[in-house]
Amino acid sequence: AQSVTQLDSQVPVFEEAPVELRCNYSSSVSVYLFWYVQYPNQGLQLLLKYLSGSTLVKGINGFEAEFNKSQTSFHLRKPSVHISDTAEYFCAVGGSSGSARQLTFGSGTQLTVLP
Amino acid sequence: DGGITQSPKYLFRKEGQNVTLSCEQNLNHDAMYWYRQDPGQGLRLIYYSQIVNDFQKGDIAEGYSVSREKKESFPLTVTSAQKNPTAFYLCASSIGLLNTEAFFGQGTRLTVV
Repeated sequence: AQSVTQLDSQVPVFEEAPVELRCNYSSSVSVYLFWYVQYPNQGLQLLLKYLSGSTLVKGINGFEAEFNKSQTSFHLRKPSVHISDTAEYFCAVGGSSGSARQLTFGSGTQLTVLP
Repeated sequence: DGGITQSPKYLFRKEGQNVTLSCEQNLNHDAMYWYRQDPGQGLRLIYYSQIVNDFQKGDIAEGYSVSREKKESFPLTVTSAQKNPTAFYLCASSIGLLNTEAFFGQGTRLTVV
C-alpha cells in the first residue's frame, strides 16, 4: 500500500517571500512522485514530477522539488511567490508495480499569498 | 487541441435519482480514472480503467458505476445508492497506469437538492 501525507493544510505567505510545501510518502515499491496545482473550480495541472535521475526536479511557474529517499519526502519550494500562486497544491505518489498501480493523492495544501 | 472534457460543469440532482457524468478524451490514452474531491480530503479514487471493456473499483466505488465501451469515453453514473453524492468529480487519463502523469478534466460539481 502507498500513502501520502501533506503536513500543512493551510500555508499563508506574503508576496515575494519563499515558500515550502511539505509532502511525505510511504510505499513498499519504487515510487514516482508528482505535484499538482488546482485553482478554484478547476481540474488539476501538473507542476512537476520525479520519475528517476536527479533528485532536484524543476517544474513550471518557478517551482522545484527535491526527492529525499531516506526521509521519504518530496517537498515543493519556490524562492519568491506571487499573488497568482494562490491555489491548492496536491502531492501524489505512483507505484512501479503490483498493487500500487494508480496515483494516490495527499489531502492538499492551500497556499494563500498575501499582498 | 488534445484534452479531457467533462460535462456538465454543474449538475443538480434530486434525491433518489441516478445521474451520469460525461468524460471524453482525445489524447489516445489507454487509462482513465474517476476521482471524488471533498473539502480537506484530497482526491479519492472511485473507478479506473486500463483498456476498453475493462474497469476496476477504486477506494470508494460503492454507489457508483462506470462503463468503458470506447477508448475515448468513460462515463460515471452516480446511483441512488450513493448516500452522500454532493461533491466535485474529476476525470483523468494517462498513457498507462504506472509511472505516467495523469491529465485532468475541469471537473463536474454535483449537488443533490
